[in-house]
Amino acid sequence: DAGVTQSPTHLIKTRGQHVTLRCSPISGHKSVSWYQQVLGQGPQFIFQYYEKEERGRGNFPDRFSARQFPNYSSELNVNALLLGDSALYLCASSLGGTGSYNEQFFGPGTRLTVL
Amino acid sequence: TQLLEQSPQFLSIQEGENLTVYCNSSSVFSSLQWYRQEPGEGPVLLVTVVTGGEVKKLKRLTFQFGDARKDSSLHITAAQPGDTGLYLCAGGRAGSYQLTFGKGTKLSVIP
Repeated sequence: DAGVTQSPTHLIKTRGQHVTLRCSPISGHKSVSWYQQVLGQGPQFIFQYYEKEERGRGNFPDRFSARQFPNYSSELNVNALLLGDSALYLCASSLGGTGSYNEQFFGPGTRLTVL
Repeated sequence: TQLLEQSPQFLSIQEGENLTVYCNSSSVFSSLQWYRQEPGEGPVLLVTVVTGGEVKKLKRLTFQFGDARKDSSLHITAAQPGDTGLYLCAGGRAGSYQLTFGKGTKLSVIP
């Protein structure tokens, strides 16, 4: 069975540009979450989507946005890139229904470098 | 603000030794997950604990959730080089959909 897939694996951008990262969840999972992990830190929550609706948002500026498609895949968009946006961006999928213990299964991540 | 504190931050031990890493918080969590992450890869879920006092064993790994559901520990028996990696704990709360992660414990097991 395929796990969570993310694309691209690596990306290099310059300050001010925008970027779109993509994620496909595990088959049968309806929820996708996005996390940012900078070097030496644990992942920080950015967004969670469930059934195409935003269900949670972390403490990130409006330059960060996301959406979920009918097939439950998701995109994370970041505008006006800053040097500090350089990080590993992780996508996690989960069943997402009520009563779940929020077990999340992570993809390999997209390594974004902003120059 | 990191609500989950992990200790130690770094641990380097010889193959065959035992070790324990800790995850502590002043807040109550409804669930706590442990993940292991290798460089350049995403975290891999090891276990989920949900009941205060719960103990789960996964081969040489033993996980415990504190009675008050504010802390957890991971004990590894007879560590092997393949155990090397970053161990992350993450807490979930009822009614919230995000996981709160600690900074992790970076473990190196030397052959």
